[in-house]
Amino acid sequence: DQQVKQNSPSLSVQEGRISILNCDYTNSMFDYFLWYKKYPAEGPTFLISISSIKDKNEDGRFTVFLNKSAKHLSLHIVPSQPGDSAVYFCAAMDDKIIFGKGTRLHILP
Amino acid sequence: DAGITQSPRHKVTETGTPVTLRCHQTENHRYMYWYRQDPGHGLRLIHYSYGVKDTDKGEVSDGYSVSRSKTEDFLLTLESATSSQTSVYFCAISESSVMAGTFYEQYFGPGTRLTVT
Repeated sequence: DQQVKQNSPSLSVQEGRISILNCDYTNSMFDYFLWYKKYPAEGPTFLISISSIKDKNEDGRFTVFLNKSAKHLSLHIVPSQPGDSAVYFCAAMDDKIIFGKGTRLHILP
Repeated sequence: DAGITQSPRHKVTETGTPVTLRCHQTENHRYMYWYRQDPGHGLRLIHYSYGVKDTDKGEVSDGYSVSRSKTEDFLLTLESATSSQTSVYFCAISESSVMAGTFYEQYFGPGTRLTVT
């Protein structure tokens, strides 16, 4: 069973607009959530995280929102830039880290 | 960038042959991990290490073994490679771990693309 789900395999967004990537989870014991970004032929790089005691964390153009009652988190990128085109992985932690399958984001010129 | 290298970066091997992948770090981090990435599966943990000679299994450990004789090196061995082990393998390191009760960020290496024919 997938404990961390990214239901959109891909997403296309116009440059300058907002990109919203979604992630759902099933395990209420997860206490930390992370987003990683991955370019082709490179390893994933850490982007932003949020603790389960918060509902929002912001870092520059990136904001992560957590809705614990819905077991849902989202990553907002504003404004979207060409360099944001990549695969984004959502991950959740309790005593281990579980990754989602990823969402490929295309930023259109 | 965290100092993590993986070798080889690409390898093609035949079914039934042994394969060893190496991860080397210069950060002196305690925790090291091996993941595999496959289409439709994201990243899945194979094995991890929490110190020299201290290792444990992850989600998909069958068919794999690991060793860590030095802080800086973590080896992943496929004793007898199968076609289902064709994948991209990523090593990661972290200074601490949720197992130690603290948040940690993992730094990933560039990956090794392994093809088993």
